[in-house]
Amino acid sequence: ETGVTQSPTHLIKTRGQQVTLRCSSQSGHNTVSWYQQALGQGPQFIFQYYREEENGRGNFPPRFSGLQFPNYSSELNVNALELDDSALYLCASSEPPASEQYFGPGTRLTVT
Amino acid sequence: AQKVTQAQTEISVVEKEDVTLDCVYETRDTTYYLFWYKQPPSGELVFLIRRNSFDEQNEISGRYSWNFQKSTSSFNFTITASQVVDSAVYFCALTVMDSNYQLIWGAGTKLIIKP
Repeated sequence: ETGVTQSPTHLIKTRGQQVTLRCSSQSGHNTVSWYQQALGQGPQFIFQYYREEENGRGNFPPRFSGLQFPNYSSELNVNALELDDSALYLCASSEPPASEQYFGPGTRLTVT
Repeated sequence: AQKVTQAQTEISVVEKEDVTLDCVYETRDTTYYLFWYKQPPSGELVFLIRRNSFDEQNEISGRYSWNFQKSTSSFNFTITASQVVDSAVYFCALTVMDSNYQLIWGAGTKLIIKP
């Protein structure tokens, strides 16, 4: 059974640029959730996708957008990057949404 | 609104000591789920346990045990005979149906096990 994978591992971007992060869910899981974790803090929920539809969204601006594909993999897009977007971005998969979420290793994004 | 409080920011103990990590939650929902996750220095969150609101039975898994008490809205985690490999940040989290099951996280407790 393949676990949750994320790419890239690390990324450095300049303020104002756009970035796309990718996540492959665990086999058999139809729900993907994205979280932002700033250094020394707990994860903050960005949004969740269930069977290709957005199923909930946290308190993040519209420049954070996502997508889920028919194979349940997912993308997180962030436009107009700001310095405060520097964080660890975590993807988690589950089935169904209420069950335990399994996390990928994360993507460390640095915005300069 | 839902909230999870982990009042202990950092705990440091000597190896082989027992240690308890506290978690207090707030929700008006009668159906909810509680979780504990471990985040070692590598950064990947590791699932430890899921408990639903209708199951107050305590659980033991090896050196780990969890005490769920609805009367005090607490879901505490105890590590018996701690080991250096237990050093990590531990997060307690809550999810409810009305929030589309998004995880509401505590701030985490950093556990340091000294050899």
